[in-house]
Amino acid sequence: GEDVEQSLFLSVREGDSSVINCTYTDSSSTYLYWYKQEPGAGLQLLTYIFSNMDMKQDQRLTVLLNKKDKHLSLRIADTQTGDSAIYFCAESIFSGGYNKLIFGAGTRLAVHP
Amino acid sequence: NAGVTQTPKFRVLKTGQSMTLLCAQDMNHEYMYWYRQDPGMGLRLIHYSVGEGTTAKGEVPDGYNVSRLKKQNFLLGLESAAPSQTSVYFCASSYSMVDTSGLQETQYFGPGTRLLVL
Repeated sequence: GEDVEQSLFLSVREGDSSVINCTYTDSSSTYLYWYKQEPGAGLQLLTYIFSNMDMKQDQRLTVLLNKKDKHLSLRIADTQTGDSAIYFCAESIFSGGYNKLIFGAGTRLAVHP
Repeated sequence: NAGVTQTPKFRVLKTGQSMTLLCAQDMNHEYMYWYRQDPGMGLRLIHYSVGEGTTAKGEVPDGYNVSRLKKQNFLLGLESAAPSQTSVYFCASSYSMVDTSGLQETQYFGPGTRLLVL
């Protein structure tokens, strides 16, 4: 089946690193995504990784993918208060002529001074 | 470039009323999607469209209809609203591109429509 799971809440101190974890079940996923949702706003694409890659770095963001364990993580270095938001992990599966996105329930990141 | 816009931003309906949510994109994207977001759950796909004049059912299509008469617009209709349709509705559009790893599709989301059905 298709399922994406994330922990619901993470609290970190400003300046520390945040690590948000995600597990997925469908091994046929092609790309995996991280989206950020700020209060009252839509989802903003942060980064994505192809399923054959192990790691991708983009400024303060590092994505690690363990395809064997179907585990994805997002590390945010030097976390700031502006990083407080809900982070969604999503896997992309090509099915029925389009790329179907399966979302996790989201991890709420709270950054405190 | 406005990206993906949605109207209205917020609406209250009584059970049995009908309404249409409008999604517009100015990025010339082929694919468009309607999702709903409920507390403690990820986004679930209601309907999608792979091009002008075509629509298809997603994961939770019951109680909704859609139309894509123009490439830039994707309409979501509720014929007879029910309290179970209280949710936040997101529209998205996407394009496909080939990057160093293969064919990749990025979905861009609108700001959402908050719907309350009493």
